Amino acid sequence: DTEVTQTPKHLVMGMTNKKSLKCEQHMGHRAMYWYKQKAKKPPELMFVYSYEKLSINESVPSRFSPECPNSSLLNLHLHALQPEDSALYLCASSLLSRGTNTGELFFGEGSRLTVL
Amino acid sequence: GENVEQHPSTLSVQEGDSAVIKCTYSDSASNYFPWYKQELGKGPQLIIDIRSNVGEKKDQRIAVTLNKTAKHFSLHITETQPEDSAVYFCAASGAGTALIFGKGTTLSVSS
Repeated sequence: DTEVTQTPKHLVMGMTNKKSLKCEQHMGHRAMYWYKQKAKKPPELMFVYSYEKLSINESVPSRFSPECPNSSLLNLHLHALQPEDSALYLCASSLLSRGTNTGELFFGEGSRLTVL
Repeated sequence: GENVEQHPSTLSVQEGDSAVIKCTYSDSASNYFPWYKQELGKGPQLIIDIRSNVGEKKDQRIAVTLNKTAKHFSLHITETQPEDSAVYFCAASGAGTALIFGKGTTLSVSS
């Protein structure tokens, strides 16, 4: 099983809504990531969790709130988003070897978010 | 921090031709250089990678070369096929650091 599964695939929400994106992997990877990707742009790193602890937060607005309930699951809670937050949100995971990132990222198919 | 430049931004080739995409990086501590292929509506998929202790790596029609002195690496696709059409991203990272992506190359292979 070499998959990173993201749900939902598509999400439309209003600026006052609260929603969550979910990500799951069963490869035993202990690093998990959220990336944001706008059309025709590369993925931009948002958050990194290592051993279920937040290790990198790339100055992301507080309306995005990550959560890592266990080593297989990663959530991104969304609240009071703006239309410019519309994008493809990608989850990824990687193996940690002696606490160091081996580098190989495995991406999910993404959740396409539209904020009205 | 690391900065990755990727060229060209678009590349059109005829089926059967070769395609080459080039990237440069700025941080000499970077030691891992993957290439991702992203098809429309899908997440990026790792197609090949190379580490700094290797100069070249090949996997069937795909090869990657690394020049550590010049800090550049390249993706070579031979005998291109229409299904190779996609956006390709190079990336770089060092030990314990997150991947930094290039801006991407849109490859179009026409039959």
